[in-house]
This record gives sequence, structure tokens and C-alpha cells, in this order.
Amino acid sequence: SQTIHQWPATLVQPVGSPLSLECTVEGTSNPNLYWYRQAAGRGLQLLFYSVGIGQISSEVPQNLSASRPQDRQFILSSKKLLLSDSGFYLCAWTPPGISSEAFFGQGTRLTVV
Amino acid sequence: DQQVKQNSPSLSVQEGRISILNCDYTNSMFDYFLWYKKYPAEGPTFLISISSIKDKNEDGRFTVFLNKSAKHLSLHIVPSQPGDSAVYFCAAHSGNTPLVFGKGTRLSVIA
Repeated sequence: SQTIHQWPATLVQPVGSPLSLECTVEGTSNPNLYWYRQAAGRGLQLLFYSVGIGQISSEVPQNLSASRPQDRQFILSSKKLLLSDSGFYLCAWTPPGISSEAFFGQGTRLTVV
Repeated sequence: DQQVKQNSPSLSVQEGRISILNCDYTNSMFDYFLWYKKYPAEGPTFLISISSIKDKNEDGRFTVFLNKSAKHLSLHIVPSQPGDSAVYFCAAHSGNTPLVFGKGTRLSVIA
């Protein structure tokens, strides 16, 4: 069966510090991978998605970047965090090429102080 | 431009009664629609979905209705239970495109 792992669960970082959130998927090949963010009182905003290794699409211009160094690994990064980067970050995957439900990780609560 | 809209940020329902959550979309290319349930500090969990070739899908207490001409879908929960209290997100996509989510509706089921 497929599983998705996302870590860390919580993170408190000072303004200006770097960020690296990691997500891995097991039990499937060539998944579509996504990073979403839920800011306080708001819906789920798509940040990045990837349909293959090294292929990243950015939905919202911002202080963040994403990379997919391996088929089932998706990383969200920032060189210098801003206060506005605080939020709940979610990694998700879908099978390639078909309309399907997305499966989410447990999320990372990031607080920038 | 919001492609998926949930116009009710919150809904309160008595235990045992029906909960109806609504969702509208604007992109006619969407062919797959989903509902997710989310608790605080957790990832959303998939609840139920419907393909654009259907107008109804039922799973236990949960039924999703799709009205393509109106670009509207709804989730019915009958009977509502206190454990159903959560934020419900409507989502849509087609093929390889990412899921687009609404802003969510917070359901409170009152005992």
C-alpha cells in the first residue's frame, strides 16, 4: 500500500533563517507531487506541483522554492523565511495521468518568529 | 479568480439532522470532484468523490450530488453526528492537473 511521510510535524524558525521540509511517498512510482499551504482562516493554496523528477511548476510567486531530486521525494525550501511564511504546509500525491483523489501527509506547522 | 467556491464559511447542525455543504465551480474542464474532511493540525482525509459522468454518489451516511449545468455540487451527511464536526473542503480537477480547493466550510454538529 502507498504511504506518504512528511516531516517535521512542527517547526519554529526565526525570520531570515532557511527552511527545508521533506516529503516522501512509498509504494508507488512516478506520482504527481504537490505542496499546499493553509494559512490561518484560509483554504488550501497550491504552492508547487511536480509531474516528474526535476519538473516543478510554481503556482504562486513567493519566497519559497521546491525541488524533486528523486521520483518519490519532494522538498520545500526557503533561503530566508518571512513572517508571512507561517502556516500549515501539506504535501500530497496523486497517481499520474488520471483524475483521482489526492493523498495528504500529516502536515507541518511552521511558525516564523 | 477562485475556480472552486464554498460560500458558507460555517454551518451548525443538530445531531441526527441532515448537513448540507455546498460548492460551486467555474472551470468547465473539471471532470472529477471530491470532498475532504480536515481536523486541526492534520492533513485532509478523503471522504467521497464523483466523476462528471455521474450526478450522484453515495457512501454510507455521505452522498455527493453533482449538477453540471449549474456547476454546483453538494455533500449531504445523514444523520449528522458530533464526530462529523470538522472543516470540509470541496476540490476539483481533471487528469494531471492539480486539485483546486475551496476555502472550506466549518461544520459543527451540536449534540
